[in-house]
Amino acid sequence: QVQLVQSGAEVKKPGASVKVSCKASGYTFTDYGISWVRQAPGQGLEWMGWISVYNGNTNYAQTVQDRVTMTTATSTTTVYMELRSLRSDDTAMYFCVRGGYGGPLDYWGQGTLVTVSS
Amino acid sequence: QSALTQPASVSGSPGQSITISCTGTSSDVGSYNFVSWYQQHPGKAPKLMIYEVSNRPSGVPDRFSGSKSGNTASLSISGLQAEDEADYYCSSYTSSSTYVFGTGTKVTVL
Repeated sequence: QVQLVQSGAEVKKPGASVKVSCKASGYTFTDYGISWVRQAPGQGLEWMGWISVYNGNTNYAQTVQDRVTMTTATSTTTVYMELRSLRSDDTAMYFCVRGGYGGPLDYWGQGTLVTVSS
Repeated sequence: QSALTQPASVSGSPGQSITISCTGTSSDVGSYNFVSWYQQHPGKAPKLMIYEVSNRPSGVPDRFSGSKSGNTASLSISGLQAEDEADYYCSSYTSSSTYVFGTGTKVTVL
């Protein structure tokens, strides 16, 4: 069965960086891209960007494009999302999701809570 | 990219039918059939309920259906059940090759 398992919760200070991992299993890794979606406490969903696992191409949301980098490690079927220059309003649950580039976001990771606090 | 517009809340009694609207623009909902709907229970990850406007993934009850007209997509739930109480979000692919989500709708089963 398709599974996306994310790394654990993080607490960071303003200005720091965080790197969240997402390990995929149960399907052919290179057949699907991975998107990242975040949800601030009590708020709605925000799409952050997408990476093609096949060739590493990325497309980021304008709101984070200057601070985010998504990468992939095919040998370990893992995708990473790094967010730099953290601010308090980056406090959110971060989800990796299979899909992108028009396709449905069909399988979701369990989420990683990132808390930014001084 | 502005969020798609959804009603903040919709309610219905068990067995009734409800419809949630999702209004976008000609740059997203109006241009693509890549509209999806997600159900989210408190503390859980979202779950895909409808994709490509009206398709249901395997395992999603046929009580859930989707449609689209112009810049507005809709999710209908018939035969409302207690377990349908959740937050629902629409999303659309956009002309910038990005995704945009809706503002979210809280469904309450009375």
